[in-house]
Amino acid sequence: DGGITQSPKYLFRKEGQNVTLSCEQNLNHDAMYWYRQDPGQGLRLIYYSQIVNDFQKGDIAEGYSVSREKKESFPLTVTSAQKNPTAFYLCASSIVQGFGHPTAFFGQGTRLTVV
Amino acid sequence: GQQVMQIPQYQHVQEGEDFTTYCNSSTTLSNIQWYKQRPGGHPVFLIQLVKSGEVKKQKRLTFQFGEAKKNSSLHITATQTTDVGTYFCAGVGGTSYGKLTFGQGTILTVHP
Repeated sequence: DGGITQSPKYLFRKEGQNVTLSCEQNLNHDAMYWYRQDPGQGLRLIYYSQIVNDFQKGDIAEGYSVSREKKESFPLTVTSAQKNPTAFYLCASSIVQGFGHPTAFFGQGTRLTVV
Repeated sequence: GQQVMQIPQYQHVQEGEDFTTYCNSSTTLSNIQWYKQRPGGHPVFLIQLVKSGEVKKQKRLTFQFGEAKKNSSLHITATQTTDVGTYFCAGVGGTSYGKLTFGQGTILTVHP
């Protein structure tokens, strides 16, 4: 089945540690996104990538890093520089505009808690 | 950069009442999309509007795209408890080529 997979579903991290969230898609989408969602809030864009080996900062990139070495994968690292990392993290993918109108497919999300 | 504003942030209704959420973009959009996120879940695509002035319906849901392609609305007639969740609009356009920009979402609560 085609889809987008995030792992793990729940993640606990000690303060001062880096942690990497996985996002894999087999939809053959060029564009991938990372969003952060706080309780009762909307989606805030962290990073996005429209092609392999290229990515752009979103609205809240500080304290986060990404890589896009493969089309299928867009891992997000939450670094110790992120002061308030506890949140729900959502990964999404879409086609790139120009090949149609992109619609986003979301993964199930990862709930990160700093302990 | 492109901004998509969505109002209201919260809406509480009694079951059977109507509900509307509005989406406004700072730039002209090539298309507008609507998503629904159930409590504890992830956003799921509902519909896409492309043409100026377009209106689409899905059962009790009516979606509109403004004539200037800068605003949109989602209207739910006679809400049900199954309508509970957060509704997001998202658009592509302006200088943000290819990047989906989401509104802040409207959290809908339906009281039985």
